[in-house]
Amino acid sequence: AQKITQTQPGMFVQEKEAVTLDCTYDTSDPSYGLFWYKQPSSGEMIFLIYQGSYDQQNATEGRYSLNFQKARKSANLVISASQLGDSAMYFCAMRVNAGGTSYGKLTFGQGTILTVHP
Amino acid sequence: EPEVTQTPSHQVTQMGQEVILRCVPISNHLYFYWYRQILGQKVEFLVSFYNNEISEKSEIFDDQFSVERPDGSNFTLKIRSTKLEDSAMYFCASTRRVREKLFFGSGTQLSVL
Repeated sequence: AQKITQTQPGMFVQEKEAVTLDCTYDTSDPSYGLFWYKQPSSGEMIFLIYQGSYDQQNATEGRYSLNFQKARKSANLVISASQLGDSAMYFCAMRVNAGGTSYGKLTFGQGTILTVHP
Repeated sequence: EPEVTQTPSHQVTQMGQEVILRCVPISNHLYFYWYRQILGQKVEFLVSFYNNEISEKSEIFDDQFSVERPDGSNFTLKIRSTKLEDSAMYFCASTRRVREKLFFGSGTQLSVL
């Protein structure tokens, strides 16, 4: 069974600073994908970034980057130059490929609430 | 960018009543999902649907739940006899291929009184 752990219930950061949100995962499947989603107070789930287990380089999407450390089974999200609009809940999620038999189910972590201070 | 559309955004119902939550996935997507999020908790997988049948379901998805894709565009979640503990935000999601990102709808907040 797969498991995702986010150990930071809440994080605070000053505007324009960088912040790292932690995510560790556990799976025995060698092929998997890791996702980060943002959920603002309005409730929708916004895709931020994806990292495949076989990707050689860490994923980046604008101000978001994923610090992927496969041996440590961690996939931390780094947000650079934080903005007030970054205040939201952030979820890490994993999908295992199960030898090609997966239908794409995501397993989510508990989430981290990020608050950006002016 | 194309969107997954969910209706209604809020649904209030009495315990024991049936509810149908509706979703219109992105038109060229083939894999469809329902997730739920109880207030303040993590997002939980309910069911996946592919090729007009359930491909995977969680323990939460018991006989009270059913899904249907009645035509080429809609994807529905039915709860036959709602319980208080069914109160949650329900998200529909879709993807074109299993290894691509999931697109989520904006959710339906279900309140069971």
